[in-house]
Formats: sequence, structure tokens, C-alpha cells
Amino acid sequence: GIQVEQSPPDLILQEGANSTLRCNFSDSVNNLQWFHQNPWGQLINLFYIPSGTKQNGRLSATTVATERYSLLYISSSQTTDSGVYFCAVDVGWWDTDKLIFGTGTRLQVFP
Amino acid sequence: DTGVSQDPRHKITKRGQNVTFRCDPISEHNRLYWYRQTLGQGPEFLTYFQNEAQLEKSRLLSDRFSAERPKGSFSTLEIQRTEQGDSAMYLCASSLVSFPRRPSYEQYFGPGTRLTVT
Repeated sequence: GIQVEQSPPDLILQEGANSTLRCNFSDSVNNLQWFHQNPWGQLINLFYIPSGTKQNGRLSATTVATERYSLLYISSSQTTDSGVYFCAVDVGWWDTDKLIFGTGTRLQVFP
Repeated sequence: DTGVSQDPRHKITKRGQNVTFRCDPISEHNRLYWYRQTLGQGPEFLTYFQNEAQLEKSRLLSDRFSAERPKGSFSTLEIQRTEQGDSAMYLCASSLVSFPRRPSYEQYFGPGTRLTVT
């Protein structure tokens, strides 16, 4: 099955710093989503981005589907950005769209 | 629109007991998914429904697990004869799939039910 790997596994930043999280996947995908899992376990949708570039405030994401990777950029990080970031991909077609999650990047932002 | 809700948020049970979780999807969404997440791992797919029909089940879903979505709205996930290995966060998600079908649709997750089996 498809492999989804994220890097780095852990990231420690001081408030105000910028960071780039990477997601590599081993096969063609129909969907790619980025999530932020907060300390209470809630998965928060950040981006639905099977290809191209999107921006939402301090966050932006780029997916290069032909090269099988996606990047999540966090600028001017805040303590509330702490948590685990997951990318998840879907390889199914007509009758399934289950998400396969990556290994996650744990981000800690200190004041 | 209130988003995906799950109940209970936490459940502690003794090994061998049965437990049932409920998920209410976003109201207009016709597809509902269950995932399981163990400590330090990403969520893993368990099963999904298109309206009331259960269309796919993962190999992770043993015979002790059963899921239903009787009226195509809320869903229940039951675990019979719980084992300590069942301790995990159980996540529900929903999406709106329209036809003719695009390749894929954005999934939205609920807050999860954290199960602890003692």
C-alpha cells in the first residue's frame, strides 16, 4: 500500500519563527489534506490540497502531485500552533476515499 | 452548522465489557467514516458508510467490532468483549459526496471518543 512519510518528526521553535513541514507519498493520490491535532485530540482541517498552492493567514501549503510531496509552511509561529501536524492522502477512486495518514510532525512552540 | 459530534468523549471500561459509541455527522453529509488512533500514531481507517450502506471494512475491524448507520444519519460503533488492545481514540469523520463523482472529497473529523480498557 501507499507509504506516507512526514519530516521532521519533531520540531521545537521559539515564538515568531517560521517552519516548513514536509509530506512525501509513494503513489499517485486523489486527495491530500493537512490537519492540526490539538492537545485534546481534535483534528482540525487546515488544507484540502490535492495539487497547487493555498494560503490561509499565517499558514500556506503546496502540493506537487507529479513529484509526490506536499509542504506546509507556518510563519510567525505562536504557542497555539503547538500540537501534531498530519498529512493524509486518499488513493481510492469511485467507491472509496479512506484517508491514509502520515507519521506526523510534533511541533512545540515556546514563548 | 455544528460539525461532527461524538458521544461519549471518554469511556473507561473493564476488559470483557461491551461498549458503544455514537457519531453524528455534519447534517447534509452522506458519507461517514470511523478511524482509530493509538498513542503516538496517526489515525487508521476502520470502515465507512455511504448513507446507510457500509461499503468498506478494514482488516483492523475484527469480529468483535460492528458499526451501523441505520437511517443514514448518525452511526454507532460497538465493541464486544473489549480487550486492553482496544484502548485508543475512536474518531468519526464525514464528507459530502455528490454525483457525478469527483475523485475525492474533504473529510471533517469529530472530537473523538477516548476508550480506556482496564
